[in-house]
Amino acid sequence: EIVLTQSPATLSLSPGERATLSCRASQSVRNYLAWYQQKPGQAPRLLIYDASNRATGIPARFSGSGSGTDFTLTISSLEPEDFAVYYCQQRSNWPPYTFGQGTKLEIK
Amino acid sequence: QVQLVESGGGVVQPGRSLRLSCAASGFTLSIFGIHWVRQAPGKGLEWVAVISYDGSNTYYADSVKGRFTISRDNSKNTLYLQMDSLRAEDTAVYYCATDTPGTVSGWFDSWGPGTLVTVSS
Repeated sequence: EIVLTQSPATLSLSPGERATLSCRASQSVRNYLAWYQQKPGQAPRLLIYDASNRATGIPARFSGSGSGTDFTLTISSLEPEDFAVYYCQQRSNWPPYTFGQGTKLEIK
Repeated sequence: QVQLVESGGGVVQPGRSLRLSCAASGFTLSIFGIHWVRQAPGKGLEWVAVISYDGSNTYYADSVKGRFTISRDNSKNTLYLQMDSLRAEDTAVYYCATDTPGTVSGWFDSWGPGTLVTVSS
């Protein structure tokens, strides 16, 4: 089973700042990595798939990069609605599909 | 409007069974592979199971294999998760989520709001 490790666990930033979230895989997942956003009391929402492709309706301030074992989600300029928990997920070696433990992006 | 809605959650004793449903509105569920993903209170996401668009293929997480069964009735535009021999560690919000039309790509695109299952005596 592929283990995904996200860092940091919590990221404290202000609106307008740039956010950089990391996800590291225990073995190569090629580019088969996705990012999800989850707000309290809501279901997750797909942001990025195949490491760098934005899902339908996702603003351009969200971007993904990386391949192999190291991946990054970047939010270029934080909006108030971006403060949430973010998860990475791999589909390279399944079952099972696995998720990282999450990064909480909070307002500083 | 494309919408998934889960139902069937509740409080159940350890060892008992529960069946969750996932109903689609605004689109035809039959062209999508569908996943169940769960989230224990205050915890992260855990993939549970997937069924192909035509029901011919199913896969499970080891933690539920042999106890949970995923199925679908495309004539009713509905998906099911039969959960047997429930344990306390199965307590979670259960979400259904669509995959890519016509295949199982492994990306969870549209999600329902979830239904809470609590296993407790």
